[in-house]
Amino acid sequence: NAGVTQTPKFQVLKTGQSMTLQCAQDMNHNSMYWYRQDPGMGLRLIYYSASEGTTDKGEVPNGYNVSRLNKREFSLRLESAAPSQTSVYFCASTPNLSSYEQYFGPGTRLTVT
Amino acid sequence: ELKVEQNPLFLSMQEGKNYTIYCNYSTTSDRLYWYRQDPGKSLESLFVLLSNGAVKQEGRLMASLDTKARLSTLHITAAVHDLSATYFCALAGTGTASKLTFGTGTRLQVTL
Repeated sequence: NAGVTQTPKFQVLKTGQSMTLQCAQDMNHNSMYWYRQDPGMGLRLIYYSASEGTTDKGEVPNGYNVSRLNKREFSLRLESAAPSQTSVYFCASTPNLSSYEQYFGPGTRLTVT
Repeated sequence: ELKVEQNPLFLSMQEGKNYTIYCNYSTTSDRLYWYRQDPGKSLESLFVLLSNGAVKQEGRLMASLDTKARLSTLHITAAVHDLSATYFCALAGTGTASKLTFGTGTRLQVTL
């Protein structure tokens, strides 16, 4: 099992450009999450998907959209990137919302100039 | 709103010494996590604490939970250089299951 995978690993965007961060898990998990981590800080929840077909806002959803494409994949889209979105983005998954263990992906380092 | 505070934010300690990282939180939670993160890497799960008085140990790390005081501690015994990393506590608020709120992290540097 690959666990949770994310693409790309690194990305540089100019202000106003758009892009989609991809996340996939092969553990048959129902719930998936997107977090961002800014320097010197803990992770903050952007959006989550309790199960296929559902998505909900987390703590810092502004400027982002998500799509739960199927059970395996959960993508995060920046429609018009801003320098404030420079961050490291982590995807995570759990068997379901009541599960204890979260499995994190390797992260995507995004820089917006 | 659930808030999580860790202290210290930075800790430099010599090999062989003991120290404790503290995690305070503001509202009731039904589970508390400790994670380790190495520079440029993802998060590695260390412990999940589920009930008041829970204590878990793995090697030189021991975590405990006091839900009445809303406090968790991560105790490091006889530190070694390999423990150098950033440590985060995180909580799932009651009823919100796996949506986690993270502390700001404690950067631990163990010097030889």
